[in-house]
Amino acid sequence: GQQLNQSPQSMFIQEGEDVSMNCTSSSIFNTWLWYKQEPGEGPVLLIALYKAGELTSNGRLTAQFGITRKDSFLNISASIPSDVGIYFCAGCDYNNNDMRFGAGTRLTVKP
Amino acid sequence: DTGVSQDPRHKITKRGQNVTFRCDPISEHNRLYWYRQTLGQGPEFLTYFQNEAQLEKSRLLSDRFSAERPKGSFSTLEIQRTEQGDSAMYLCASRAPAGAFYNEQFFGPGTRLTVL
Repeated sequence: GQQLNQSPQSMFIQEGEDVSMNCTSSSIFNTWLWYKQEPGEGPVLLIALYKAGELTSNGRLTAQFGITRKDSFLNISASIPSDVGIYFCAGCDYNNNDMRFGAGTRLTVKP
Repeated sequence: DTGVSQDPRHKITKRGQNVTFRCDPISEHNRLYWYRQTLGQGPEFLTYFQNEAQLEKSRLLSDRFSAERPKGSFSTLEIQRTEQGDSAMYLCASRAPAGAFYNEQFFGPGTRLTVL
């Protein structure tokens, strides 16, 4: 089962608004990743974070690796309709023997 | 297209039948992972290979599930005697050899299995 708590479960926002979602874990991870998934497709990697406290941007997306190594957040600025999808956080241990996913945040952007 | 590919994209089968899915990873990637994703959930790790060696298989859901990667390139996931509860999206991901971005897994489009 899932070990990551991702929130919120869903968001309905207006185009142009900023979005924030986060993920917490009871376990320490050495890597946090954020993926986006659209219907009928596999997850697409958005951002990978490797160091506690690291803040990384990818266009309008910004993600941070929490200092405690047990949490991460993803921000999307100035949302557009194509941002619609399900966003997943994922945590990896050092050996990357498996990757644990959150349950996802479903984002809907109204034009 | 040099991404991860999976075949078939959709599979409908009757309960009790065996099914096999194929995954072709990104060519230079030595690690290959299988996940299952059910509706409303994130992917759930099943097993992974480093080259042809299956290094973790304790998370396979039952002994009806098996995976192979005989030549260290493509991999197959087989489900024997399918049950309705096996209906899900089966995802494959691959990862480059250890390096600067060693934990970045890239996913294929998935195989959607429906068991009637």
